[in-house]
Amino acid sequence: SQKIEQNSEALNIQEGKTATLTCNYTNYSPAYLQWYRQDPGRGPVFLLLIRENEKEKRKERLKVTFDTTLKQSLFHITASQPADSATYLCALDDGNQGGKLIFGQGTELSVKP
Amino acid sequence: EPEVTQTPSHQVTQMGQEVILRCVPISNHLYFYWYRQILGQKVEFLVSFYNNEISEKSEIFDDQFSVERPDGSNFTLKIRSTKLEDSAMYFCASSVGGGENEKLFFGSGTQLSVL
Repeated sequence: SQKIEQNSEALNIQEGKTATLTCNYTNYSPAYLQWYRQDPGRGPVFLLLIRENEKEKRKERLKVTFDTTLKQSLFHITASQPADSATYLCALDDGNQGGKLIFGQGTELSVKP
Repeated sequence: EPEVTQTPSHQVTQMGQEVILRCVPISNHLYFYWYRQILGQKVEFLVSFYNNEISEKSEIFDDQFSVERPDGSNFTLKIRSTKLEDSAMYFCASSVGGGENEKLFFGSGTQLSVL
């Protein structure tokens, strides 16, 4: 079955630095991959979607890469701010065109002023 | 900005009781979902719903679970006889379409506690 791994250790960085989060997957070739942000006690909020034929996607301070050979996506937040502190979730489609997403366990990011 | 609304925000129930979790998806969305998240664990898919029928469901979504769209705006999840292990945050989500390129809009969740 599909397996998604995100770096389980919390990531602590200084304000202004670039945060890089990793999502690896196995046993699978997703058509697209999404990144969500989740704050404590809240539902996930969509950030970015990248398709299998796209290498990179950007939105303001966010950048996502998708390497289908390595089966890996990297999520970058440049010029990080304390307000970026949250858990970031990687999610893949299940290939059945029904919109079902399979989520990773998330990486908690803490940006210190 | 339109949002997915869930009620109640917290629900406490006794084991064996029935609960109904309610959701109002975004009005022009056609696909509806329930996910759940046990404390400290991954967000897990339960069921997707389109055109008044279930389009996909997970192994978790057994005979104790059902979904319904009773009118043009509400989408409900019913658990017939709750178990302790049903305690989790339940998220409703909706999307415009159901294929690729579709981002999901999640509600704030209902925290279900089964005692």
